[in-house]
Amino acid sequence: GQQLNQSPQSMFIQEGEDVSMNCTSSSIFNTWLWYKQDPGEGPVLLIALYKAGELTSNGRLTAQFGITRKDSFLNISASIPSDVGIYFCAGMIYNQGGKLIFGQGTELSVKP
Amino acid sequence: DTEVTQTPKHLVMGMTNKKSLKCEQHMGHRAMYWYKQKAKKPPELMFVYSYEKLSINESVPSRFSPECPNSSLLNLHLHALQPEDSALYLCASSQAPDGDTQYFGPGTRLTVL
Repeated sequence: GQQLNQSPQSMFIQEGEDVSMNCTSSSIFNTWLWYKQDPGEGPVLLIALYKAGELTSNGRLTAQFGITRKDSFLNISASIPSDVGIYFCAGMIYNQGGKLIFGQGTELSVKP
Repeated sequence: DTEVTQTPKHLVMGMTNKKSLKCEQHMGHRAMYWYKQKAKKPPELMFVYSYEKLSINESVPSRFSPECPNSSLLNLHLHALQPEDSALYLCASSQAPDGDTQYFGPGTRLTVL
C-alpha cells in the first residue's frame, strides 16, 4: 500500500532558527496536506497543496508540492516556542474515497 | 469557519458500558470521518461517511458502531470495549469525499478501564 516517509522524526532547535521537514513516497499523490498537532488536541490544518510544483506560504510557514508528485516539504522560518508540537504530512490519491495517508510525524521542540 | 466540534472532551468507561461519541459540523461538508489515534502516532482511519452513507469501514471491530443521522452529525457508538481501545478519537469532515481537505475536530480522549 501507499506509505509516506516523513523526516526527521524529531528536531530540537533554538528559538529563531529555521526548520525544514519533508515527506517522500514511491506513490504519486494528488493532494498534500500539512497539519500541526498539540498534545491532546486534534490536528490543525496548516497548508493544503493541490498542484505539482505549487509553493504556498502561510505566515512563517512555506510548503511545496514536489514536481514529481511524490514528495512535499514544509519550512518554518524564525521558530518561536509556540511552534512546538507534532507536524504531520498527509497525502491523498483521487478515487480512494477520501483516504488520507499520513507520515509518521515530526516532533518539534523549541528552546527559548 | 472550519470548525468541527466533538463531545465529550474526555470519556472514561468500563468494559461493559455503552457510550457514544458525537461530532458536528455546520460547513455543509458531505463527507465525515472517524479516526483513532494513539499517542505520538498518526491518525488511523476507521470509517468514512459520504453523503450520509457509510462508504469505507477499515475492518473496524463491531464493538464500534458509526451512525450518521444527518449531514451535520456523526456518532460513534461504543459497546464492550477493551483497554487497548483507549485512544484519542478524532472526527473530520471535508466538502466532498474525494480529494478535498479534511478538517479535524479537537477529539475525544477515551479511557477504557
